[in-house]
Amino acid sequence: QKEVEQNSGPLSVPEGAIASLNCTYSDRGSQSFFWYRQYSGKSPELIMFIYSNGDKEDGRFTAQLNKASQYVSLLIRDSQPSDSATYLCAVHAGNNRKLIWGLGTSLAVNP
Amino acid sequence: NAGVTQTPKFQVLKTGQSMTLQCAQDMNHNSMYWYRQDPGMGLRLIYYSASEGTTDKGEVPNGYNVSRLNKREFSLRLESAAPSQTSVYFCASSEGTGTYNEQFFGPGTRLTVL
Repeated sequence: QKEVEQNSGPLSVPEGAIASLNCTYSDRGSQSFFWYRQYSGKSPELIMFIYSNGDKEDGRFTAQLNKASQYVSLLIRDSQPSDSATYLCAVHAGNNRKLIWGLGTSLAVNP
Repeated sequence: NAGVTQTPKFQVLKTGQSMTLQCAQDMNHNSMYWYRQDPGMGLRLIYYSASEGTTDKGEVPNGYNVSRLNKREFSLRLESAAPSQTSVYFCASSEGTGTYNEQFFGPGTRLTVL
């Protein structure tokens, strides 16, 4: 079992819809969770991070964390074609000094 | 404020050649990282430097060496390039290696080994 799992997609949504991206992790000691966006041919850029159970909102983006279920998600409201990218989930366990990365979910927002 | 910069952007090597990838950050970060990204494999950590003067192996260190030249600069060296090292290489930095430190990435170096 991979330590951080994401559905590879592609996830296809129409413009204006809500895109829901999911990530599960295996280490119950994980304490911080990051969502990165990566456009084709570009480097990853941080969208959001979340540390506590519940929801965290930033503009059109909402991160949701459920530590009991070992699950973190990213919701993108009013999806735009410019949101089409690969979304990477990264998890930081408390005891090591490295991020553990998922393979990413490809999102396509169709006009 | 340039963030994390990498040179070169593109490089083609022949098998057995050597090269050094350069990385610099101007955010006064303590920690720096080298990753490679391959289709279907995701981001894999090669080496990292938690602070100036220290380096540690990551997930895939074989065939690479690193030098933390100073707080700003962290270089990655391929002594004898192999086709399996064809990849996109990203340098990243963070304030520290603690739980709540997000990483910031450079633009990447696209390396092809023939």
